[in-house]
Amino acid sequence: GQQVMQIPQYQHVQEGEDFTTYCNSSTTLSNIQWYKQRPGGHPVFLIQLVKSGEVKKQKRLTFQFGEAKKNSSLHITATQTTDVGTYFCAGYSDAGNNRKLIWGLGTSLAVNP
Amino acid sequence: EAQVTQNPRYLITVTGKKLTVTCSQNMNHEYMSWYRQDPGLGLRQIYYSMNVEVTDKGDVPEGYKVSRKEKRNFPLILESPSPNQTSLYFCASSLWTGDEQYFGPGTRLTVT
Repeated sequence: GQQVMQIPQYQHVQEGEDFTTYCNSSTTLSNIQWYKQRPGGHPVFLIQLVKSGEVKKQKRLTFQFGEAKKNSSLHITATQTTDVGTYFCAGYSDAGNNRKLIWGLGTSLAVNP
Repeated sequence: EAQVTQNPRYLITVTGKKLTVTCSQNMNHEYMSWYRQDPGLGLRQIYYSMNVEVTDKGDVPEGYKVSRKEKRNFPLILESPSPNQTSLYFCASSLWTGDEQYFGPGTRLTVT
């Protein structure tokens, strides 16, 4: 079936180091969304990418959507303790007549101060 | 304030005792959805609704029911809860299918 693989599952960094999480889909996606869930909290929408090769930035966060619209990445420059949480990607697949949102399992980020 | 609310936030119940978790949004969103979150399994969709009176199964619908009689409310019903339904449940809404989703604060359910 349709899957979105997200790696790594966990990442532990020192404050100030960079961090990247990757999502890879088995099918072409119409768009991809990124969410952040703080410990004990609920997922919060970060961004949506729609175009092939699209790159968007939010302060220290850089999001990319691959040319083939099958993969995406989130890069955080110079992590801070406020970046702690789990980052999820979720892609919409238009396969067949069923428009379906497929979630990655998330990458949990821990930041040592 | 634009928000999705869920009640209750915490619930401990016994096997077989019917329960309802309410979900309400005040953003006039068309699309609403229920997820369960379990360690190592991410977010799995239970049911979703693209409009009033339109509901459809997600990835893990067994043991759950939903209804969408009005746009703002999307209750999740467990007719006969079992211990394997112990989980963290999130309701979410979006303006349309495919838009950014707004999540409720979550309901932690324990079935003994």
